[in-house]
Amino acid sequence: DVKVTQSSRYLVKRTGEKVFLECVQDMDHENMFWYRQDPGLGLRLIYFSYDVKMKEKGDIPEGYSVSREKKERFSLILESASTNQTSMYLCASSSPSDLYSNQPQHFGDGTRLSIL
Amino acid sequence: ILNVEQSPQSLHVQEGDSTNFTCSFPSSNFYALHWYRWETAKSPEALFVMTLNGDEKKKGRISATLNTKEGYSYLYIKGSQPEDSATYLCAPSNSGYALNFGKGTSLLVTP
Repeated sequence: DVKVTQSSRYLVKRTGEKVFLECVQDMDHENMFWYRQDPGLGLRLIYFSYDVKMKEKGDIPEGYSVSREKKERFSLILESASTNQTSMYLCASSSPSDLYSNQPQHFGDGTRLSIL
Repeated sequence: ILNVEQSPQSLHVQEGDSTNFTCSFPSSNFYALHWYRWETAKSPEALFVMTLNGDEKKKGRISATLNTKEGYSYLYIKGSQPEDSATYLCAPSNSGYALNFGKGTSLLVTP
C-alpha cells in the first residue's frame, strides 16, 4: 500500500515564525501536492510538484513556498506564519501517469497547524 | 478554478437506507472525475476515478455514475451502514494537473 507520511499531526507556532511541513511518500510517485482544508471550504490546492526541483502554483499559493529536493519528499514552507494560515494541511502523491491519466491521489493523515 | 457543487451538504440516514449524492461541475474541458471518502481522523481515500460519459463504477455497496455532457455525477450507497459515515468528496479535473474539490457531502448513518 502507498504510504504518505506527514511529519506532525499537530503543530503550534507563533506569528512571524518560519514553519516547515514535511511530507514523505514511499511509492516513487512523481507527483506530490499540498492542500489546505478549512471549515466550509473544500480542499484547496496550494502547490504541486511533478518532478524533483519542479513546482507549480495551485489556487492559493500566497504566503507559501515549497521544496522538492528529493523525489520522495515535498516540503511546504510558511515564510512568515500568520493567523490566517491556521488550518489542516494535507499532502498527497500520485503515480507518474496522473498528470494526463486517471490514477487517484494518495493522502497523508494531515497536519493540524495553529498559528498563535 | 472549477466551480464544483455537491449536494446535499449533509445527510443523516438510518442503517439500511439507501442514499445518493450529487456532484455538479462545468462540462467544458472535462478530463476526469474523482470521488473520495474522508472519515474523521483518517486520510481521504479514493473511491473511483471516472472519465467516460455514461461510465458507471461499483465498489461493494457504493456505485457512481458520470454524465460529462451535462456535468454531473451521482454517488449511490445501497443499504447504508454506520461505517459509511464520512464526508464524500468529488473532484473533477480539466487539466490533468490538479483536482478541484467540492466542499463535500457529510453522511451520518445511525443504527
